[in-house]
Amino acid sequence: DIQMTQSPSSLSASVGDRVIITCRASQSITRHLNWYQQKPGKAPKPLIYAASNLQSGVPPRFSGSGSGTDFTLTIRSLQPEDSATYYCQQSYGPSWTFGQGTKVEIK
Amino acid sequence: VQLVESGGGVVQPGRSLRLSCAVSGTSFSHYAMHWVRQAPGKGLEWLVVISSDGTTKHYADSVKGRFSVSRDNSNNTLFLLLNNLTADDTAVYHCAKVASRALAGPNWFDPWGQGTLVLVS
Repeated sequence: DIQMTQSPSSLSASVGDRVIITCRASQSITRHLNWYQQKPGKAPKPLIYAASNLQSGVPPRFSGSGSGTDFTLTIRSLQPEDSATYYCQQSYGPSWTFGQGTKVEIK
Repeated sequence: VQLVESGGGVVQPGRSLRLSCAVSGTSFSHYAMHWVRQAPGKGLEWLVVISSDGTTKHYADSVKGRFSVSRDNSNNTLFLLLNNLTADDTAVYHCAKVASRALAGPNWFDPWGQGTLVLVS
């Protein structure tokens, strides 16, 4: 199975900061990488699909990049409502896997 | 599109439970479906995918041989049978639809159900 390693596991940043979360796959997954946002008690919400495509309705301060094994999620200007846990997820092959998650807190 | 899970609850170790996921607002029979779980305070764990026609299934190693997925396309419902449950299976279980009907190419979970809690105790 493909393993996904996310970092950091948590971070604390101020409103307006740029935040970068990284995700590394144990083998090449080309661009089959998605990002989700999850708030407590809620189902995950898709943010980015196929590495860099913004899901409809997601604010443009969110962006994704990468291919092969290394990917990033960037929040350009952190807002209070961005406090959440973020997960990467690979969809290469029949078995899909998630990263461990990154908890983003607002200072 | 709406996904609504049911069937969770408190179950003793070693027993079985069947979860359901009722899907509305979309052509259910055209989409592969997945189950994902989340243990309390932990991350997301992918469990299984079933193809649109129900003939192909892939399981995570952690549940292979104990969990069984099925679907009823005539009633727009997805199922997950959980057997020989242990405390490690305590989690919220989500069903999720794939975004694209394509068999190849990028795909992702969209949308998700709110989940149903299984407590093994």
